Amino acid sequence: AQKITQTQPGMFVQEKEAVTLDCTYDTSDPSYGLFWYKQPSSGEMIFLIYQGSYDQQNATEGRYSLNFQKARKSANLVISASQLGDSAMYFCAMKVGGGADGLTFGKGTHLIIQP
Amino acid sequence: DGGITQSPKYLFRKEGQNVTLSCEQNLNHDAMYWYRQDPGQGLRLIYYSQIVNDFQKGDIAEGYSVSREKKESFPLTVTSAQKNPTAFYLCASSIVVGGNQPQHFGDGTRLSIL
Repeated sequence: AQKITQTQPGMFVQEKEAVTLDCTYDTSDPSYGLFWYKQPSSGEMIFLIYQGSYDQQNATEGRYSLNFQKARKSANLVISASQLGDSAMYFCAMKVGGGADGLTFGKGTHLIIQP
Repeated sequence: DGGITQSPKYLFRKEGQNVTLSCEQNLNHDAMYWYRQDPGQGLRLIYYSQIVNDFQKGDIAEGYSVSREKKESFPLTVTSAQKNPTAFYLCASSIVVGGNQPQHFGDGTRLSIL
């Protein structure tokens, strides 16, 4: 069975600082994908970034980057130059194999950006 | 615009009543999913479907049922057997080919017990 662990229930960060949100995962399957989603207070889930287990490079999408350390089974999300609009819940998720199975989610980190 | 539409946004259920949550997508995605989110928790998979007329149980399927008669639609019924149905329900879809594709979510339905 697969598992996602997010050890930071909440974080306060000053605007314009960089933020690192931690995520560790556990699976015995060599083929998997790691996803980060943002959930504002309105409730919708917004896809941010994806990293495949065989990808050689760390994924980047604008201000978001994923620090993928395969040997340590970690996939931390880095947000550069944080903005007030970044305040939200952030979820790390994993899917194993290449089929249509669902995602396994962590419990999330509540990020609050302070002016 | 293409997307996923969930309705209603808020739903109230009486004891012993079945209720159905709607999920429609116009993204032409093959796979669709239902998740449940409890306060302060991550999402847990209820059911998923890869093709029409086929679906599989997720981690917490007890007390729920689904159907997939059309590619665009994947309604979820919360039956009276689900003893703790109060939660936020999210529907998602994705394409299947090409490995791990991101799932795209609707805006959710909040279900409460009267």
